[in-house]
Amino acid sequence: DQQVKQNSPSLSVQEGRISILNCDYTNSMFDYFLWYKKYPAEGPTFLISISSIKDKNEDGRFTVFLNKSAKHLSLHIVPSQPGDSAVYFCAASVLGDYKLSFGAGTTVTVRA
Amino acid sequence: EPEVTQTPSHQVTQMGQEVILRCVPISNHLYFYWYRQILGQKVEFLVSFYNNEISEKSEIFDDQFSVERPDGSNFTLKIRSTKLEDSAMYFCASGDRWETQYFGPGTRLLVL
Repeated sequence: DQQVKQNSPSLSVQEGRISILNCDYTNSMFDYFLWYKKYPAEGPTFLISISSIKDKNEDGRFTVFLNKSAKHLSLHIVPSQPGDSAVYFCAASVLGDYKLSFGAGTTVTVRA
Repeated sequence: EPEVTQTPSHQVTQMGQEVILRCVPISNHLYFYWYRQILGQKVEFLVSFYNNEISEKSEIFDDQFSVERPDGSNFTLKIRSTKLEDSAMYFCASGDRWETQYFGPGTRLLVL
């Protein structure tokens, strides 16, 4: 399943700076997009989501941007904190489809 | 904060044996899911369950797999005759709406 792609396997960022994670998708039927964070030996934790009718959604330090024409979304974390070091997964779903399609994940390391 | 729980956290079994993975979804949720992640690969959808029946399943979810909600709180995944390639982390998820899913910590299954 290559419908959701995260082309950067890793990202290193200085504490206090912005982390930008990118995600591309190929299925134009996707209606809903989510970002999950995962620590080792734990399940994915829901972070933030966005519907295809919006282009931006913000929740505290996390903002997701959606560019439907480019089939691209991004997650901004500002400011980055050491506790943000984790694997971040982009996921997408189609209205009425009871499943999520996941990207491969991006490992974020926040340096002190 | 309510969370999805899974038992056991680890399971080692011999090839050909049956395993049952257990999940307790968040109590007011109506949608239930199983996903798996083979080491080094993406999180993959297996099956979704709504209104006491399977709503969608992937091609991975063949006749060796079954799901059940035996009572009002548990949601189980059974693998009838395990194969080596079933070794993976299995995640249960639940949601109160179709588009947002909350994941449990996972069960690491090792088939020898």
